[in-house]
Order: sequence, then C-alpha cells, then structure tokens
Amino acid sequence: SAVISQKPSRDICQRGTSLTIQCQVDSQVTMMFWYRQQPGQSLTLIATANQGSEATYESGFVIDKFPISRPNLTFSTLTVSNMSPEDSSIYLCSFQGQPNTEAFFGQGTRLTVV
Amino acid sequence: QQQVKQSPQSLIVQKGGISIINCAYENTAFDYFPWYQQFPGKGPALLIAIRPDVSEKKEGRFTISFNKSAKQFSLHIMDSQPGDSATYFCAASMGPLGGKLIFGQGTELSVKP
Repeated sequence: SAVISQKPSRDICQRGTSLTIQCQVDSQVTMMFWYRQQPGQSLTLIATANQGSEATYESGFVIDKFPISRPNLTFSTLTVSNMSPEDSSIYLCSFQGQPNTEAFFGQGTRLTVV
Repeated sequence: QQQVKQSPQSLIVQKGGISIINCAYENTAFDYFPWYQQFPGKGPALLIAIRPDVSEKKEGRFTISFNKSAKQFSLHIMDSQPGDSATYFCAASMGPLGGKLIFGQGTELSVKP
C-alpha cells in the first residue's frame, strides 16, 4: 500500500500567523482529503483536494482560512491562515485510491496556537 | 442526515472479553461502512469495512454486524487484548459523492490485563 507522510508533525505558532502543512504520497492518487481532529474529538472533513481543480470545502470551512494546493498527484498542502487559539487541533491528510475504498491517513500535524 | 452516531464514548473491558461498539446512521444513501482504529499520536488506520449487501463480516477477532433495516452497524472485538486499547471510529460514505468519510464521535477502548 502507498505511504503517506505529513509534516510538520507538530508546531506551536503565534496567533495571527499562518502555517502550511505538507502531505506527500509515494504514489499517484486522485483523491486527497484534509481533516481536522480537535482534542479528544472525531475527525471533521475540511475539504477534498483533487488535482487540476479547485478544492471543495465542507460547510463551515472557507478557502480564505484554509487555502489548499494540489500541484500534482502526489502532493498537497493545507495552510491555516491568520491563526487563533481556536485553530489548535490535529490536522490530517488522507487519500483514497477509489471512492468507498480504504482511506490512508498521515500521522497528523498537532498545531498549538498561543 | 449526514451524521453517524457512535456509542459508547468510552469502554473498559477485561482481557479476553468482548468489546462492542455501536453506530447508527440516517442517510440510506451511505454505501460503505468502515471502522478505523487510532492509537495516540497516529493517524487512523482501517480495521475492517462492510458494504450494505452483507449482514456480517469477520476478520480474525474483529466482526462487523450490519442491520440495514435498523440503519445500525456494530464492531465486535472478540478476546480483547491490551494491545487493542485505542480509539475506534465508525464511518460511512457514499460513492457517488466521491467517497468522503463521515466519522462517528469515537470510542476510547481500554482493555485491562
């Protein structure tokens, strides 16, 4: 199965700044997803990022706050912009080979905003 | 309509016992129901999954029971071991919507030796 790596694994950031999280897959994948997991909570989908098209955001998430890039079939970035303490969370990237098949997750980026 | 409700929130089981986690959904268009296991500091990993055309799927000590009419599905862990201590998430997705996963709230399982 493909390997997915995410970095940074954790960061502590000042409020008002931005952080870009990188996700690299070792094979070409069509569908990539970004999730947020607040401490002790479930995973909430932020957006779907398919190569060659604009990311599709879920209700409650907007492009100005969470811009996403998908320059090729193996790489994606998520930026958390103008951060506030409420953005402190774990952010995870994920991919699936086909809809309704196994989703693979990165190890997550633990973000703390102070 | 898009929610998946999971219970219990936490579960303590003795080694060798059976762990049971339940999930319920509303949207009958869901057509894929996976269970994910997550250890601290790690991303979730697929444990087992089922599609609505079968009522049960077993893989080793892990079994999914699926009740389409009740819109419920459950995970059974037989002979639970301390190494099974983790957080478990049920999820559901719809192929026609690109397969994006809707996760349940999670169950923190602790297996006592």
